[in-house]
Amino acid sequence: DVKVTQSSRYLVKRTGEKVFLECVQDMDHENMFWYRQDPGLGLRLIYFSYDVKMKEKGDIPEGYSVSREKKERFSLILESASTNQTSMYLCASSLQGSYGYTFGSGTRLTVV
Amino acid sequence: AQSVAQPEDQVNVAEGNPLTVKCTYSVSGNPYLFWYVQYPNRGLQFLLKYITGDNLVKGSYGFEAEFNKSQTSFHLKKPSALVSDSALYFCAVRDLRVHASGGSYIPTFGRGTSLIVHP
Repeated sequence: DVKVTQSSRYLVKRTGEKVFLECVQDMDHENMFWYRQDPGLGLRLIYFSYDVKMKEKGDIPEGYSVSREKKERFSLILESASTNQTSMYLCASSLQGSYGYTFGSGTRLTVV
Repeated sequence: AQSVAQPEDQVNVAEGNPLTVKCTYSVSGNPYLFWYVQYPNRGLQFLLKYITGDNLVKGSYGFEAEFNKSQTSFHLKKPSALVSDSALYFCAVRDLRVHASGGSYIPTFGRGTSLIVHP
C-alpha cells in the first residue's frame, strides 16, 4: 500500500528551538507538499517541491524553510519555533500531472 | 488563482437522513475538484474527484458529489448518514502554481465543514 509517513504524530517544543518535521513517501512521486491546518482556516500551503533540491513558497512560508535532498524525503524546518506555529502539519505527495494526492497522518506540534 | 468556499462550518444531521455538505468554486477554465475526509487526529483521506464527464460522481463510503456548472457548485451528498460519517470534510480544487521549471498542480482547500451525525 502506498504511503506518506510523517515521523512524529505529536511533538512538544520550546519557543526558540529549531524544529524538524520529516516526511517520507514510497511512491516515487515528484511533488511533495507541506500544509498547515488550523481550525476555521482549513489547510494552507507552506512550501512545495517538484523535484530534488527544488522548492517553491506556498501561501504562508514565513518562519519556515524546507529541504529536499532525496526524492522520497521532504523536511519542514522551523528555524526558531514560536507559539503561533502551534498547529497540525500535514505532508502530501503526488505524481507530476496526476489528479491524486496522498496525505500523511499529520504531526501535531505544540510550541510552549 | 483557483479557490473553493465551504459556506457552512458545521452540518448536523440525524442518522439515516440524507446529508449534504456544500462547496462552491471559483476557477478560470475547467475545474478539477475533490472531496477529502479527515477523522480526528488523522490525515486526509480521498473521497472522490471530478475531472470531466458525468456530473454525478460516485466515491468511497457511499458518498457522491454533484457538479453543477451553472451554480459553480460541487456539493457532497450521501442518501443515508451514519454516525461513523462524523468527521471534517474538505473540498479542494486543483490549482496551477507557476515556477521556473514550468508549473505544478497543487490542491487548494476550503476551510472545512464539520459533519456531525446524531444517533
